Amino acid sequence: AQTVTQSQPEMSVQEAETVTLSCTYDTSESDYYLFWYKQPPSRQMILVIRQEAYKQQNATENRFSVNFQKAAKSFSLKISDSQLGDAAMYFCAYRRGGYIFGTGTRLKVLA
Amino acid sequence: EAQVTQNPRYLITVTGKKLTVTCSQNMNHEYMSWYRQDPGLGLRQIYYSMNVEVTDKGDVPEGYKVSRKEKRNFPLILESPSPNQTSLYFCASSTPFTGRLVNEQFFGPGTRLTVL
Repeated sequence: AQTVTQSQPEMSVQEAETVTLSCTYDTSESDYYLFWYKQPPSRQMILVIRQEAYKQQNATENRFSVNFQKAAKSFSLKISDSQLGDAAMYFCAYRRGGYIFGTGTRLKVLA
Repeated sequence: EAQVTQNPRYLITVTGKKLTVTCSQNMNHEYMSWYRQDPGLGLRQIYYSMNVEVTDKGDVPEGYKVSRKEKRNFPLILESPSPNQTSLYFCASSTPFTGRLVNEQFFGPGTRLTVL
């Protein structure tokens, strides 16, 4: 069965600095998708970035980028120039058919 | 506007009193799903549906029922709620997994359920 692991329950970053959130997953499939979702205090789930497993190029969305290592089954999220509005719970998710979520990392941004 | 709606947003009820949380999407998505979110456990899938009249259990289906009679609606039913079902519930929808076309999941705003 597929699993998604986020080993950092909580992270802190200074405003304007860079932070990396870790995610590893376990699968025997070759085709799948990976996502990072952000959940601010409003509780709304917001898609941050997505990655297709067949693409070698790492996805980038403005200040957000991923380091996708397919062989290592690793999918980390890098947030550059951190802003106060980035403070939230971040969930890593895997999709092959259904979706599987990690347990989340709470990111605090310090002014 | 493309969206997933859930009702109610907040609900306090008592043990054993049947309740239904509605979910509706306007994006013509085939795939719909229910999750519960608990501290330290992330989002866990309760039930999902690949299309009308096709539903299947997720990781934590005990105590829940669903139905998919129409493509846009996917209600979650708690026949006899218990305090351990106190949680934050999310409905979500997406297009099916196709292998090459990335299809994100769209989430509803969440329903905070408290069972006393």
